[in-house]
Amino acid sequence: DVKVTQSSRYLVKRTGEKVFLECVQDMDHENMFWYRQDPGLGLRLIYFSYDVKMKEKGDIPEGYSVSREKKERFSLILESASTNQTSMYLCASSPRGAGSYEQYFGPGTRLTVT
Amino acid sequence: GQNIDQPTEMTATEGAIVQINCTYQTSGFNGLFWYQQHAGEAPTFLSYNVLDGLEEKGRFSSFLSRSKGYSYLLLKELQMKDSASYLCAVSPNYGQNFVFGPGTRLSVLP
Repeated sequence: DVKVTQSSRYLVKRTGEKVFLECVQDMDHENMFWYRQDPGLGLRLIYFSYDVKMKEKGDIPEGYSVSREKKERFSLILESASTNQTSMYLCASSPRGAGSYEQYFGPGTRLTVT
Repeated sequence: GQNIDQPTEMTATEGAIVQINCTYQTSGFNGLFWYQQHAGEAPTFLSYNVLDGLEEKGRFSSFLSRSKGYSYLLLKELQMKDSASYLCAVSPNYGQNFVFGPGTRLSVLP
């Protein structure tokens, strides 16, 4: 059974703070993804990674960076948190192959920036 | 560009059938996924279509027409626990990131 875990369910940070969101998956998946989810906008891709030390920008990478030092772990970093980054953040993973595979999601981190 | 449309909200009665539509325009197509998401929880996978036609899985079915850029999710014998958001997602290319629609919030009433 695939398990994707995220370091916190709820997080409150102040404007300007550096924020780290951690994601760990236990199924040896190559692909990992970070999304944010806002009402009416759906899931929007921030960054994704195909392999260790690899990263690709998604649709809304501004204000974020990522790190993938180990295959099972993918971190999202908010360099200087702003109030417009208040959102639900979801991590996902999937295997890599010739076809398309479902993504497995973590429980999400609800981040509030004040 | 990439665009996926779904109705924002739907309401149905317990025991009834509901159809949730999804239309898409994407740069490529390598499959369409439906996910269910209960409030405050992670999305969970429901179905996958890559060829035209109907895929049935218990009370849930999903249909795809690639020529029309159209899919629907059909939920039969609705139960209260089916109250959730339903997300349509397209994979534009092999094995990579998805494009998600805004989601349809379904309320099942007694």
